[in-house]
Amino acid sequence: DGGITQSPKYLFRKEGQNVTLSCEQNLNHDAMYWYRQDPGQGLRLIYYSQIVNDFQKGDIAEGYSVSREKKESFPLTVTSAQKNPTAFYLCASSIGGGAYEQYFGPGTRLTVT
Amino acid sequence: AQSVTQLDSQVPVFEEAPVELRCNYSSSVSVYLFWYVQYPNQGLQLLLKYLSGSTLVESINGFEAEFNKSQTSFHLRKPSVHISDTAEYFCAVSVINAGGTSYGKLTFGQGTILTVHP
Repeated sequence: DGGITQSPKYLFRKEGQNVTLSCEQNLNHDAMYWYRQDPGQGLRLIYYSQIVNDFQKGDIAEGYSVSREKKESFPLTVTSAQKNPTAFYLCASSIGGGAYEQYFGPGTRLTVT
Repeated sequence: AQSVTQLDSQVPVFEEAPVELRCNYSSSVSVYLFWYVQYPNQGLQLLLKYLSGSTLVESINGFEAEFNKSQTSFHLRKPSVHISDTAEYFCAVSVINAGGTSYGKLTFGQGTILTVHP
């Protein structure tokens, strides 16, 4: 089955620790995205990548980092510099370009205490 | 910069009643418009989209949305809802750049939680 996988589903970390969220897709999509979802705020774009070895900051990139070494993988690192990291994180991919549907993974709920 | 406003954070309705979820956007350039649906603890799924052409677009499960350029709106409607339609619905826009393409960055509204009661 083609799709996007995110792991783990739930993640708990202590404040001050960096944590990496996994996102893998087997849809052969060029573009991949990371969003953060908070109650009542919708989804906000953290980073996006239109092609391997290239990525751009989204609207709320501070405290996050990404890499895109392989077409199918787009991991997100939440660093200790992110002031409020507890949230639901969603990864998405698309063929490319804004006219195309974005396919979303099931999400990772990160709790930092 | 563009923005999306979903005017209702929660919409409760009874089964088989009609429903309208409102979405207004603000953008200085043309946009593509989308509605996504999210069931509890899941990712989002595309419900329908407007790219060009007919201003009324439909989904396979009975939802429809109408693009109104003058009012910068893209309201979602369904004439008769089912219990299974209970979910959170997101309106989103993607800016069309000067070259007529779009980079795929989506700007989402805050979401509307639709709850269908028996």
